[in-house]
Amino acid sequence: QKEVEQNSGPLSVPEGAIASLNCTYSDRGSQSFFWYRQYSGKSPELIMFIYSNGDKEDGRFTAQLNKASQYVSLLIRDSQPSDSATYLCAVPSGGSYIPTFGRGTSLIVHP
Amino acid sequence: GAGVSQTPSNKVTEKGKYVELRCDPISGHTALYWYRQSLGQGPEFLIYFQGTGAADDSGLPNDRFFAVRPEGSVSTLKIQRTERGDSAVYLCASSSGGSYNEQFFGPGTRLTVL
Repeated sequence: QKEVEQNSGPLSVPEGAIASLNCTYSDRGSQSFFWYRQYSGKSPELIMFIYSNGDKEDGRFTAQLNKASQYVSLLIRDSQPSDSATYLCAVPSGGSYIPTFGRGTSLIVHP
Repeated sequence: GAGVSQTPSNKVTEKGKYVELRCDPISGHTALYWYRQSLGQGPEFLIYFQGTGAADDSGLPNDRFFAVRPEGSVSTLKIQRTERGDSAVYLCASSSGGSYNEQFFGPGTRLTVL
């Protein structure tokens, strides 16, 4: 059973702070890693993907991947109340197109 | 361009009834996925189509669940003899099947079995 683990939260941060969301995975063969944002009552929206060790930046978002330690994280700089949502980590097993999703971390950004 | 669409947005049915849920993927996307999501959980994989064929149906929970994609575009998820435990949001996603296979989700169908 391939596992993707996330702390369910909620993670509460003040507006303007950095929010750090973490995800660990069990399959060492996994090659690509995805972060989705899901607002309450809405469907998941892809915000980042990463496949190489290190950092990948896109605007206020940075994904960090460490394959040796089997974790991937998402940093959100200058957090805004509109960033309040559940963030889902998705990891396909090596050689598969089928991602296993974590249960998501709820982020609350308070003014 | 248009995203993934799903109909109906909400479906309320009685235990034992048959339901069909429809997904219209992004035009040109060859890969289509069905998931279901319960409250407080991430999406749970059900079935994956590449073109018209089901490439992986290992996530279907039992033989009451079936899905088709006869022309390689629209897909229908069919649930027979519905049970209260089938209540969830059913999500469809499509992908162009590129190297990293980014998936784009539809708005989902909320199924409630009374």
